[in-house]
Amino acid sequence: DAEITQSPRHKITETGRQVTLACHQTWNHNNMFWYRQDLGHGLRLIHYSYGVQDTNKGEVSDGYSVSRSNTEDLPLTLESAASSQTSVYFCASSKGGSSYNEQFFGPGTRLTVL
Amino acid sequence: RKEVEQDPGPFNVPEGATVAFNCTYSNSASQSFFWYRQDCRKEPKLLMSVYSSGNEDGRFTAQLNRASQYISLLIRDSKLSDSATYLCVPDSGAGSYQLTFGKGTKLSVIP
Repeated sequence: DAEITQSPRHKITETGRQVTLACHQTWNHNNMFWYRQDLGHGLRLIHYSYGVQDTNKGEVSDGYSVSRSNTEDLPLTLESAASSQTSVYFCASSKGGSSYNEQFFGPGTRLTVL
Repeated sequence: RKEVEQDPGPFNVPEGATVAFNCTYSNSASQSFFWYRQDCRKEPKLLMSVYSSGNEDGRFTAQLNRASQYISLLIRDSKLSDSATYLCVPDSGAGSYQLTFGKGTKLSVIP
């Protein structure tokens, strides 16, 4: 079955280290998204991509970067991890096209920055 | 005005009860609307899509009032397994693939 996976599921790192979170989908979806979710906030968009070589900043993009070299993967990199980036990170994808906006989510990565 | 407003709850209802959640959204350009459910510490899962005035799927009914920028979700015959947080999610406007997530309404169904 097609799916969307994230790895690692849990990560503990230290302030200042570079961290990369992986997201892989097998639906052949054009669109991919990264969100973070913190207590007291809804899901907040970090970066998104509408296709290979396309990347865009979301509302909370500072300190994060993404690259899209193929359809299936959108890795999220924290250039220099900060304690404020401790959060749960969700990757999502959607088909794109004229009317298919439903997003489907991966299981999430819990990141702790010490 | 917040982009998406939902009563955070919690709504504590007995099994078998009918419960309704309301949501208002500020972007009049939103075209498609979704309800997601999210269990504690898990990913959001799509519950229903609403493209016209409403949608029904078993015990779940969603209604959309574009003029009032209001969406509702009705759950009939509540089950213990319905306990979750329900997220109201309009898209970010015509031609946008982005979604705007509300903070959600927490439902607890009590035996």
